[in-house]
Amino acid sequence: EVQLVESGGDLVQPGRSLRLSCAASGFTFDEYAMHWVRQAPGKGLEWVSGISWNSGTIGYADSVKGRFTISRDNAKNSLYLQMNSLRPEDTAIYYCAKDFISYTSGWYFPGDWGQGTLVTVSS
Amino acid sequence: EIVLTQSPGTLSLSPGERAALSCRASQSVTRDYLAWYQQKPGQAPRLLIYGSASRATGIPDRFSGSGSGTDFTLTISRLEPEDFAVYYCQQYGSSPTFGQGTKVEIK
Repeated sequence: EVQLVESGGDLVQPGRSLRLSCAASGFTFDEYAMHWVRQAPGKGLEWVSGISWNSGTIGYADSVKGRFTISRDNAKNSLYLQMNSLRPEDTAIYYCAKDFISYTSGWYFPGDWGQGTLVTVSS
Repeated sequence: EIVLTQSPGTLSLSPGERAALSCRASQSVTRDYLAWYQQKPGQAPRLLIYGSASRATGIPDRFSGSGSGTDFTLTISRLEPEDFAVYYCQQYGSSPTFGQGTKVEIK
């Protein structure tokens, strides 16, 4: 069974940084691209970032480009999101998600999702 | 960026009725790379449909997807009580984007 467990969410002030982690189990982590998707309170889903199985392809939504950095450690079965220069509009639940298809040059779409971790940006 | 517009915003129906949810793209979706997700309150989204019409593992056959190019539809043939939720479409042919969601509520 695929398990994705996010951690690192917190209340932070605008302009500060935060690092999210996602611990993966139940599948061969280094075969799949991974995603971060967020959901602001009471709002819809927004794709934030994706990383291919070998970190060869990385992408970001325009709203976070230049501020957020996605990375992965295949030896630790872990995905990360480094978030810098945080803004109030970054307040959301951040979901880690496993891509549906293995060994793609980039990514396709999230197949399995974690339960999310809440990031609140406020003074 | 491809903008996805879902309609209606809210659909009020009774159990047993048929639901048709629309997702319209601002430009053609590459290879009909469109997925549908269901989300219930307090839960993560669940994948229902990918590639416009392929059902994910374990999804009941009352859920079906159709469409191509810029117009896509998710149909629930007969609503069960557990189907009342919010549904999102997502395109993954280019930088991924989601629609704003359609809420299916009990009438």
